Amino acid sequence: GIQVEQSPPDLILQEGANSTLRCNFSDSVNNLQWFHQNPWGQLINLFYIPSGTKQNGRLSATTVATERYSLLYISSSQTTDSGVYFCAVLPTSGTYKYIFGTGTRLKVLA
Amino acid sequence: EAGVAQSPRYKIIEKRQSVAFWCNPISGHATLYWYQQILGQGPKLLIQFQNNGVVDDSQLPKDRFSAERLKGVDSTLKIQPAKLEDSAVYLCASSLVAQDTQYFGPGTRLTVL
Repeated sequence: GIQVEQSPPDLILQEGANSTLRCNFSDSVNNLQWFHQNPWGQLINLFYIPSGTKQNGRLSATTVATERYSLLYISSSQTTDSGVYFCAVLPTSGTYKYIFGTGTRLKVLA
Repeated sequence: EAGVAQSPRYKIIEKRQSVAFWCNPISGHATLYWYQQILGQGPKLLIQFQNNGVVDDSQLPKDRFSAERLKGVDSTLKIQPAKLEDSAVYLCASSLVAQDTQYFGPGTRLTVL
């Protein structure tokens, strides 16, 4: 089945710094979502981005489906950005089942 | 608009006991998902419903896990009997249609002793 790998696995930033998180997938996909799981375990949808670029405040995401990767940019990071970031992909082949990546654990220090 | 509701939030049981989780999706969402998230890992889909029909349950351990979505709204997930390795957070999510944005509930943290 499709493999979804995220990098880096762990990231520590000082407040105000910028960062880029990467999601690589091994096969073609119809859709891709980015999620933030806060320290209390709640998963929040950040972007629904099968292709192209989207921006929402300090966050933006780019998916290049033909090259099988997506990037999540966090600018001017805040302590509330801490948590785990997951990408989830919907493979082109098979059932309508999203496959989650391995996650990037982010800690932003004040 | 109300989000996805789940109960209970926490549950501690002993192995071989049974347990049930409840989920109420966002109103009007046809697709409902149950995920299992083991500590340090991403969520893994257990079962996906489209209205009250099962779309995918390929990763549901059917010898001990069961789920239903009566009337295409609320859903329950049951484990009977529980094993130690079932300790995890059980997440419910819903979406308007199958490929759409997923909205997650707060999860139920299960500890099996």
